[in-house]
Amino acid sequence: GDSVTQMEGPVTLSEEAFLTINCTYTATGYPSLFWYVQYPGEGLQLLLKATKADDKGSNKGFEATYRKETTSFHLEKGSVQVSDSAVYFCALMPYSGTYKYIFGTGTRLKVLA
Amino acid sequence: NAGVTQTPKFQVLKTGQSMTLQCAQDMNHNSMYWYRQDPGMGLRLIYYSASEGTTDKGEVPNGYNVSRLNKREFSLRLESAAPSQTSVYFCASRRDSDSGNTIYFGEGSWLTVV
Repeated sequence: GDSVTQMEGPVTLSEEAFLTINCTYTATGYPSLFWYVQYPGEGLQLLLKATKADDKGSNKGFEATYRKETTSFHLEKGSVQVSDSAVYFCALMPYSGTYKYIFGTGTRLKVLA
Repeated sequence: NAGVTQTPKFQVLKTGQSMTLQCAQDMNHNSMYWYRQDPGMGLRLIYYSASEGTTDKGEVPNGYNVSRLNKREFSLRLESAAPSQTSVYFCASRRDSDSGNTIYFGEGSWLTVV
């Protein structure tokens, strides 16, 4: 079945450091791919998305490119801030159209001042 | 601009008690979801409803029932709570006309079963 694998956390960085959170997926066809962010005590919010191969999603300085050849959707940010501290979830919506989203286990990011 | 609203936000239950988590969305979405979030497990789908009157099991439906009362509301019921159901529960909805298929989450309901 379809699945999403994220790098283990937690990830601890200093402010202004470069961030990469790896995400790979297993799926048939061309799923839609998402990154969601969860701040402490809150629900998940959409950070960015990509719906077809080679699409780049971007928002708030974060970017991720849909790589069909490597089945990856890695999240990057050039310079993190303390306010970026949160849990980040990679997710996919299967191509089959079932609309049953599949989430990764989440990666906790802590940014130190 | 409420979006997806869940109640209650916090609840403590004794083993064997029953309760219902309520969810309502004001975005006129057709699809609604219930997920649970556990440490190291990410989010797992409990039940999904594509439209009013229809429901479908997700990855972890055992011990739960759902009811899609109308287009706005999607409730999750625990008939006989167990400690294994201690979790954070999230309701979500999807905008069907959105080609990007984004889903929108409520703020979560923290449930502890003792």
